[in-house]
Amino acid sequence: IAGITQAPTSQILAAGRRMTLRCTQDMRHNAMYWYRQDLGLGLRLIHYSNTAGTTGKGEVPDGYSVSRANTDDFPLTLASAVPSQTSVYFCASSDGDRTDTQYFGPGTRLTVL
Amino acid sequence: AQSVTQPDIHITVSEGASLELRCNYSYGATPYLFWYVQSPGQGLQLLLKYFSGDTLVQGIKGFEAEFKRSQSSFNLRKPSVHWSDAAEYFCAVGARDTGRRALTFGSGTRLQVQP
Repeated sequence: IAGITQAPTSQILAAGRRMTLRCTQDMRHNAMYWYRQDLGLGLRLIHYSNTAGTTGKGEVPDGYSVSRANTDDFPLTLASAVPSQTSVYFCASSDGDRTDTQYFGPGTRLTVL
Repeated sequence: AQSVTQPDIHITVSEGASLELRCNYSYGATPYLFWYVQSPGQGLQLLLKYFSGDTLVQGIKGFEAEFKRSQSSFNLRKPSVHWSDAAEYFCAVGARDTGRRALTFGSGTRLQVQP
């Protein structure tokens, strides 16, 4: 069981370019999340999806979009990347148990120049 | 809205010494509480969680945490630290009554272990 996979592992991107970060889980979890991690700020929620076909905005959604066409995949798109989006991005999922424990992918390190 | 404070940005302990990492939360009701650990270049791994019941929670790798409602705290402890425990530790709070079901994280505490 792989759990959560993310691709790419790392990417250097020119400002203004479009980029999609991929996230796939094989645990059949209903809920999925995207966080960004920045030094000294911990993890901040970008977007979430409680179930396939639905999405919602988190704490820092501007400049990002998501879709949830099926249970397993939850891609994050930067339509026109800016340097402030340089960060490490983590995808997570939860199975909706009483505590909604979240399980994290290995992350994608993105640098926008 | 909930929030989490980890007052110690960086802690250094000697191998074999005891450890306590502090976490304070703000939430209007009884929250879900989590501790995650992140090794360099890795994702986050769940150490333990509190949902209800016994306020002393046991986790993996010999860690435990105690929920103290009166102090709004959920401090992480380990009686004897190993060099492999060097990592960054995140406390997180989950809300029971929102549709978003996401976690709010503290800013993390980096643990360094001296030989």
